[in-house]
Amino acid sequence: NAGVMQNPRHLVRRRGQEARLRCSPMKGHSHVYWYRQLPEEGLKFMVYLQKENIIDESGMPKERFSAEFPKEGPSILRIQQVVRGDSAAYFCASSTGQSMNTEAFFGQGTRLTVV
Amino acid sequence: AQKITQTQPGMFVQEKEAVTLDCTYDTSDQSYGLFWYKQPSSGEMIFLIYQGSYDEQNATEGRYSLNFQKARKSANLVISASQLGDSAMYFCAIPDYGQNFVFGPGTRLSVLP
Repeated sequence: NAGVMQNPRHLVRRRGQEARLRCSPMKGHSHVYWYRQLPEEGLKFMVYLQKENIIDESGMPKERFSAEFPKEGPSILRIQQVVRGDSAAYFCASSTGQSMNTEAFFGQGTRLTVV
Repeated sequence: AQKITQTQPGMFVQEKEAVTLDCTYDTSDQSYGLFWYKQPSSGEMIFLIYQGSYDEQNATEGRYSLNFQKARKSANLVISASQLGDSAMYFCAIPDYGQNFVFGPGTRLSVLP
């Protein structure tokens, strides 16, 4: 799972600033998923993307959050005008997505702290 | 929609003993898979083991095995010969229709020396 690269590992933002989280999937993986983990909780699905397409964004807050996975470059999770409640660990996972038994490989996460 | 329940917020086990972490699930799918992930204090998510719903045998991976009871919709993780490095959060997960994962709330395992 070391193949999924997330950066930065830690990000501190003041309220009202923008946070940009990056995820480079494993080589050969075209499916990217973003999850949010609040302290002492499990991971909650946010969005599922393939190259240049958002497949499922049912877990994304309607405002301030957006995600993209361009043809070239990493997937970006963008949080505008951050608030304290956005403080969490954000995980990216990638897979080939070709079958139901495909494990998802996770990055090490980005820990966002809003001060 | 899929749902995962892990009823043990925290578990303790003595080093070298075996421990079972519970996981029950709810799905209307006929074919599905169950995954277990480990999250140590460093935060990364580490894949441990997978069980397919049509697999006839329980999955095993080294010291990890699954006690899969399809009729009861349970997929309990068994860790044999616990080690101090097994202390971590453990999450059970099931793919949802969109192929994203639905995770349970997790169980924090503490291995005692």
